[in-house]
Amino acid sequence: GQQVMQIPQYQHVQEGEDFTTYCNSSTTLSNIQWYKQRPGGHPVFLIQLVKSGEVKKQKRLTFQFGEAKKNSSLHITATQTTDVGTYFCAVSTHYSGTYKYIFGTGTRLKVLA
Amino acid sequence: DVKVTQSSRYLVKRTGEKVFLECVQDMDHENMFWYRQDPGLGLRLIYFSYDVKMKEKGDIPEGYSVSREKKERFSLILESASTNQTSMYLCASSRDTEAFFGQGTRLTVV
Repeated sequence: GQQVMQIPQYQHVQEGEDFTTYCNSSTTLSNIQWYKQRPGGHPVFLIQLVKSGEVKKQKRLTFQFGEAKKNSSLHITATQTTDVGTYFCAVSTHYSGTYKYIFGTGTRLKVLA
Repeated sequence: DVKVTQSSRYLVKRTGEKVFLECVQDMDHENMFWYRQDPGLGLRLIYFSYDVKMKEKGDIPEGYSVSREKKERFSLILESASTNQTSMYLCASSRDTEAFFGQGTRLTVV
């Protein structure tokens, strides 16, 4: 089945530093989604990208979909302690007239004050 | 707001017990999903359903079954719980773009 690999698995940064997590696939993706899970919480949808080379921003977060639609990245500028959590990429794939979500392994971000 | 509610936040069960994890959503979503979350492995899809009484196997269905008798409710069943099923279980529902998750059930099998 389709797989998405996510790196790094963990990242510790000083508050104010930038952070990037990467999501890679061996096959072309129809879309890519990003979710954030706070410690002790559940994943919450952040954004979906569908176009080749698409870039979207949400305040300090920048999401990018690769030109070949095989990779994506999430970049956080000037991290804050509120950014702590695990970030997952996910792919919505069609299956028998419906679809399912395949998640990456996640990147756990720790921000040191 | 969409609400996905899982019946228990924490459960402790004995090896060999039959375990039911319940999930209810209130937004009339057709699609519902069960994932388990383990450190370093991300979210792995166990089963999903796109309609009442319809179910599809995900990536790791072994040792699990599901039931969807009503549109709003999707149950995960561990027929005979084993210690390697100790995990965080997350239910989700969706209509089209995004998945909405419940708060999770941390199951410990002893």
